[in-house]
Amino acid sequence: GAVVSQHPSWVICKSGTSVKIECRSLDFQATTMFWYRQFPKQSLMLMATSNEGSKATYEQGVEKDKFLINHASLTLSTLTVTSAHPEDSSFYICSARVGGLAKNIQYFGAGTRLSVL
Amino acid sequence: AQRVTQPEKLLSVFKGAPVELKCNYSYSGSPELFWYVQYSRQRLQLLLRHISRESIKGFTADLNKGETSFHLKKPFAQEEDSAMYYCALTGGFKTIFGAGTRLFVKA
Repeated sequence: GAVVSQHPSWVICKSGTSVKIECRSLDFQATTMFWYRQFPKQSLMLMATSNEGSKATYEQGVEKDKFLINHASLTLSTLTVTSAHPEDSSFYICSARVGGLAKNIQYFGAGTRLSVL
Repeated sequence: AQRVTQPEKLLSVFKGAPVELKCNYSYSGSPELFWYVQYSRQRLQLLLRHISRESIKGFTADLNKGETSFHLKKPFAQEEDSAMYYCALTGGFKTIFGAGTRLFVKA
């Protein structure tokens, strides 16, 4: 099946620094990738939809200047948390959507745990 | 507005007992419904989708448009079914997830 690699799996950073998370589709091309945030014992909250070669579409309440998303190729999307603060600490998950008959099926990365000190 | 409701946060059953995880949705158009599962220390993965109308690992789910439900069922639960289950709805280009139900199957 389709594999999505997410890196790093865990990152600790100081308040005020920026952190980049990568999401790669390893064996397929993903025209659309999604970024979610998950708080402890809560569901996935969609942050933004990332389309290759165009600007990401952010959900209401998500600061686009804080969470920069770049989808420069059909296999890579990145999420950069800029000037991170402790309240940004969370579990971030990416997913990629396959085209064709399985077009709405999402394949998920393993997630990145961000801890901001 | 799109909404997915999973009323049970935790469902605990004995091995061999039937299990039903409830999912209700709200969407004005024709949605596509999914069940995703997350086993311990693993990533989220697709369990089944309504348009496939198939049984995966003994689980089935039927889309009931009248009741706007997509409940997940299995006649005989197994210990390895213990996991977090998310109902998801795709409408247009967006997919939203329910809050999830943790299924615990006791020996």
